[in-house]
Amino acid sequence: AQKITQTQPGMFVQEKEAVTLDCTYDTSDPSYGLFWYKQPSSGEMIFLIYQGSYDQQNATEGRYSLNFQKARKSANLVISASQLGDSAMYFCAMREGWQGAQKLVFGQGTRLTINP
Amino acid sequence: GAVVSQHPSWVICKSGTSVKIECRSLDFQATTMFWYRQFPKQSLMLMATSNEGSKATYEQGVEKDKFLINHASLTLSTLTVTSAHPEDSSFYICSAGGGTGSTNEKLFFGSGTQLSVL
Repeated sequence: AQKITQTQPGMFVQEKEAVTLDCTYDTSDPSYGLFWYKQPSSGEMIFLIYQGSYDQQNATEGRYSLNFQKARKSANLVISASQLGDSAMYFCAMREGWQGAQKLVFGQGTRLTINP
Repeated sequence: GAVVSQHPSWVICKSGTSVKIECRSLDFQATTMFWYRQFPKQSLMLMATSNEGSKATYEQGVEKDKFLINHASLTLSTLTVTSAHPEDSSFYICSAGGGTGSTNEKLFFGSGTQLSVL
């Protein structure tokens, strides 16, 4: 069974608009962590934001925020005021367990294209 | 933030040769490192978990004799692709975890290695 699902293979957004990238997950572990990474064409994986399963508030990092809806098992990434440099692949990932050393399971990814 | 260094960035080799990829945690001790593989336009798939001072744990379907992993210190893990063949051509990327404080929650990735086997 797919543990992380990203249903949007591609997204096209006008510059300066906000964009939401969807991510749903499946786990029976009460302790887990959710991550979003950006992968530009160079291939590096850039950490964007992290949400722990016990965190009461939605995580925010600059223009990035995570809309964490625990009951619906969704962890959507919201990018405000999109920029041309935001064009890249975006991956949602989950870590089961509370320790940082646990492995990540990735979703299929969403290719985001920002149009000028 | 924590930094993970991966070398080389790209490598081209002849079929049958072995290739070693290094992954280093530069400013924290990584008790565990992970090796992923990514085919073009696909997601990252975990190959193995590298534990300092012990044998690596391989995911189902990954040949341990082909992909040798060594984690001899708290800052270095290596992946050796032995007797590489064209089907081994892929993007290989490592991540490191097990730091203290804030780095314990965030897994940081190396810049990846593009392997092309001719």
